[in-house]
Amino acid sequence: AQSVTQPDIHITVSEGASLELRCNYSYGATPYLFWYVQSPGQGLQLLLKYFSGDTLVQGIKGFEAEFKRSQSSFNLRKPSVHWSDAAEYFCAVVPKSSASKIIFGSGTRLSIRP
Amino acid sequence: GAVVSQHPSRVICKSGTSVKIECRSLDFQATTMFWYRQFPKQSLMLMATSNEGSKATYEQGVEKDKFLINHASLTLSTLTVTSAHPEDSSFYICSATPSGLAGGREQFFGPGTRLTVL
Repeated sequence: AQSVTQPDIHITVSEGASLELRCNYSYGATPYLFWYVQSPGQGLQLLLKYFSGDTLVQGIKGFEAEFKRSQSSFNLRKPSVHWSDAAEYFCAVVPKSSASKIIFGSGTRLSIRP
Repeated sequence: GAVVSQHPSRVICKSGTSVKIECRSLDFQATTMFWYRQFPKQSLMLMATSNEGSKATYEQGVEKDKFLINHASLTLSTLTVTSAHPEDSSFYICSATPSGLAGGREQFFGPGTRLTVL
């Protein structure tokens, strides 16, 4: 079945430590890939996106993500987290056949340990 | 660019009343807009796809008579929650995709509307 999986419900990292949030998808053709961040009570902010080309994508706020076709993954990384990075992170895909309908993962809540 | 606004940002209403939420694309035209619902600590659930000048397409399990969607122009879609009940309390988010082929693969999200039904 077509799906987007974020296997980590909640992650806690220390401020200044590195971060990797996992995202796997299951689609026949590589979909368009996105990472969004949501602070409590707020809307979604786009961190980065992948349509084609270079598999390492740079985003805002120091985030990057790497598309790995062989693993059907699009993991989000940040070398050094800040307390302000505490939020909910959603991986999302737009299947190329979906007429722009976006499918969200279940989200990963990131907490920062002082 | 690509800014989407929602109004109101939060609304409290009495049970049985109707509430209208507006979604506007401020600097682009959007043939298609989407409405999502988000419960606490959960992901976004697509409710319906709104197409300018035509009827909305509702996802399975979403009551079209309960959640009325109107997309009267290329920059405005409205969601009306009719005869609201406490279980309709939620965070409602809209998104818009710019008109044209290149724009169809990305959506721009509004800031959300917090609905509380007493």
